[in-house]
Parts: sequence; C-alpha cells; structure tokens
Amino acid sequence: DAGITQSPRHKVTETGTPVTLRCHQTENHRYMYWYRQDPGHGLRLIHYSYGVKDTDKGEVSDGYSVSRSKTEDFLLTLESATSSQTSVYFCAISGTSGGSSYEQYFGPGTRLTVT
Amino acid sequence: AQKVTQAQTEISVVEKEDVTLDCVYETRDTTYYLFWYKQPPSGELVFLIRRNSFDEQNEISGRYSWNFQKSTSSFNFTITASQVVDSAVYFCALSEANLNQGGKLIFGQGTELSVKP
Repeated sequence: DAGITQSPRHKVTETGTPVTLRCHQTENHRYMYWYRQDPGHGLRLIHYSYGVKDTDKGEVSDGYSVSRSKTEDFLLTLESATSSQTSVYFCAISGTSGGSSYEQYFGPGTRLTVT
Repeated sequence: AQKVTQAQTEISVVEKEDVTLDCVYETRDTTYYLFWYKQPPSGELVFLIRRNSFDEQNEISGRYSWNFQKSTSSFNFTITASQVVDSAVYFCALSEANLNQGGKLIFGQGTELSVKP
C-alpha cells in the first residue's frame, strides 16, 4: 500500500468555521491531489500540487485553498465551511517517469460534515 | 473538454455470472491514460489498471479483463465468474498524459456492482 495518511478521518463542524484537512505521504512523490466524492458525481478534483509551493486549481476549487510547504504534506483548507462542502475528501499521490502520467494512489478519505 | 461516462449506475448479478461495466470517454488529446478503480464498501479506492492511448491490447488479470477500443472511445471492464467480494463501486477515469499539465483524473460517476450469493 502507498504510504498515504489523512487526518482527521472524520470531522463534524459548524457552518462558517475554518477547517483544515491534512494529507501526509511517505513516498516522496512529486504530485499530490485533493478530490471530493459526492453521490452522482464520482470524484472531482479540487486542487493539486506539482511540487513544493506549486499548486493549481481543479474543477471545483471555489471555497477551498491549499498549501504545500513540504514534499510530504498537502493541506486543504475550507476558510469558512458551508453545508455544500459536506463530502468525503480523498487525497492522492502519483509518481512520474519521463513526464508521463502514472497511476494515482489514494488515501483512506476524510468524511466531513458541515452542520 | 474531457469527460467520462459510466451509463450503468447500478448492476446486480448472481454469483458466478459474468458482468461487463461500460466506460465511454471523450478527449481531444491524442495521448492520454485510462484507469479503473474499485471502491469496496469499506470506502478506500483501489487502483486496478492503467492503459495508455497507444496500447489497445486487451488486458487480462485473473478474472478481470479490460477491452480498450479507440474507435468507439470505450474502455470496458469485465469480471468473469463474479464473486460476492467483487461487490463494490467501480470508477473509470481519464487523465492527460503530460504531467506538466497536472495529470488530473477525470472520473466517471461510478457503477455500483452488487453480486448476490
């Protein structure tokens, strides 16, 4: 199994509060991703990182920010949580060889409920 | 724009039946990758296969097989002699080949497979 952990695994928070989810890898992979999973939508990309301090937006980035100060950690922040951000959040990592896309390995997920 | 469609939302079969999960994709890229992931009831996402757009050979791994046809933009997944442990949600996904663009995965909506004893 790829060395990916996510914390917390479950969280309940109130509307308007800030929330930070952490993804930690031990694989030294360059690429890291945050997805959210919602019924009927599969998984959708929120943000991704292609190196330390290098990040970019995905398909559903509104209301989210990310930071990557170390290779092993990728943080996802909801500045002011809303009920529409209730979801399961997955972190993923991928390696590379010669610039080609490798498979992404996923963390165990974080179930976030915003009340 | 890239898009992945899994038209079958739910499939129910009886153990030992063969079952095919359909995946149709859209992309303007000439080079791309296709993937299948399994999500069992426990919730984790398990990588099953990666196929690049230049390799149309069918892949077989035990009871699992994949049929990639560029002519119909399809990447279908067949489970032979299904078992109860195959019950899961299966996702098909597409990514651009060049990681300089992020290698982002575009997922289909998923197909929930239920295998009954």
